[in-house]
Amino acid sequence: EDQVTQSPEALRLQEGESSSLNCSYTVSGLRGLFWYRQDPGKGPEFLFTLYSAGEEKEKERLKATLTKKESFLHITAPKPEDSATYLCAVFTSGTYKYIFGTGTRLKVLA
Amino acid sequence: KAGVTQTPRYLIKTRGQQVTLSCSPISGHRSVSWYQQTPGQGLQFLFEYFSETQRNKGNFPGRFSGRQFSNSRSEMNVSTLELGDSALYLCASSLMTGEGAEAFFGQGTRLTVV
Repeated sequence: EDQVTQSPEALRLQEGESSSLNCSYTVSGLRGLFWYRQDPGKGPEFLFTLYSAGEEKEKERLKATLTKKESFLHITAPKPEDSATYLCAVFTSGTYKYIFGTGTRLKVLA
Repeated sequence: KAGVTQTPRYLIKTRGQQVTLSCSPISGHRSVSWYQQTPGQGLQFLFEYFSETQRNKGNFPGRFSGRQFSNSRSEMNVSTLELGDSALYLCASSLMTGEGAEAFFGQGTRLTVV
């Protein structure tokens, strides 16, 4: 069964303290891995798509990487405005639908 | 370019009633998917519509149904509401279906069943 697991569930960082969020997956036929940011009471905001192992994408303080079994979202020198829940999702050729992880709640303290 | 629009933003319904939620996708997007988000279960896939046809369905009871119109706008209906249906219902639109294209979400409809 296709599965997506995110860790940690929650993370508190001091402003400027870099860290990484993990998304591990067990799927058949990965067609894409997606990262989203979700603020309370709002819909998820698209960040990145990764399609193949070794691929990397960057946007401001965020960098996403992909291996054959997991993806990392690296946050460099985070700011309080980076506080949000970060969601990982996969799209597979087995199910032809997006499967979401339960997210990592990030809190960046000033 | 306008984003995905969901209406209404908030709803309060009584057990046993039915509800209809609406979603207008990004212009040019033909795929619309619906998700239920709860604190305990996260984002759960309900169904996907593409060119007015349901292409995929999640593991939800038949009380949950949807449809898509020729202009790609979509509606979701929940009949005989239960307390457990209280959730944030999210709609996402994509350019295509089955290709793993990026999905863009609306702000959601917060449904409370009392």
